[in-house]
Amino acid sequence: AQKITQTQPGMFVQEKEAVTLDCTYDTSDPSYGLFWYKQPSSGEMIFLIYQGSYDQQNATEGRYSLNFQKARKSANLVISASQLGDSAMYFCAMREGRITGGGNKLTFGTGTQLKVEL
Amino acid sequence: DGGITQSPKYLFRKEGQNVTLSCEQNLNHDAMYWYRQDPGQGLRLIYYSQIVNDFQKGDIAEGYSVSREKKESFPLTVTSAQKNPTAFYLCASSTRGGMNTEAFFGQGTRLTVV
Repeated sequence: AQKITQTQPGMFVQEKEAVTLDCTYDTSDPSYGLFWYKQPSSGEMIFLIYQGSYDQQNATEGRYSLNFQKARKSANLVISASQLGDSAMYFCAMREGRITGGGNKLTFGTGTQLKVEL
Repeated sequence: DGGITQSPKYLFRKEGQNVTLSCEQNLNHDAMYWYRQDPGQGLRLIYYSQIVNDFQKGDIAEGYSVSREKKESFPLTVTSAQKNPTAFYLCASSTRGGMNTEAFFGQGTRLTVV
C-alpha cells in the first residue's frame, strides 16, 4: 500500500489565485511528521513546510499553509496568491516514528506538477 | 556556504559498466540518503546511512552499492546488475534529530545509459 498518495498529477492555477495540492498518507504510528517540498525544473528540492502529528494548529509559512486533517489522514498544501515562480513539481513526504519507521528516512509521494498561468 | 554537492551533474554510462555518483556534505549531518527519481514515480529510497560505517537498504537497493567511510561522504555505485539505471539521482542529508528534521538535498545527478 502507498504510504503517501498524491492524486493530482497536474494542476493549473491562475496568477494571484489560491491553489490546494492534495496529499493523503497511511501510517499506524502515532508519531509522524509531514513535509512538503518544491522541485523546480532545475531539479533541486526545496523544503516548504512541516506538520507534526501532535501539532494542534495547522502549519503556515508565508504563502504556504498546510490543511491538516488527522482523522482523514490528509495534509493538503495551500498556496495563496500564486506567482509564476510557483510553477514546479510539489512533493508530499512523511517521516514515521520509531514504531513503524526508523532511520529518519522520508517517504515521498509521486508529486503534483503545478503550472501557474497569467 | 554549507550544503550538499553532487557530482557530476550529468553522467553517461555504457551498458555493463559500473559508475559511481559522488555526494559530499559540509553540514555536519549524521544521516545521508540516496533517492532515485523517475517520471511519475516520485522519489524512491535506495540506501540510507545514519552514522559512519553503517548503512541500510531502502526500497530499491538491488543493483546499487554504497559506502560511508567518512561523515561527509556517501558515494553511490550503480552496478551492471541494475537493469534500468537511467534516472535522476538525488542525495540528501539530515541531522538525527526529531520528527521535524528536514532533509537537505543536493542538485542531483542525471544518469543516462547509452
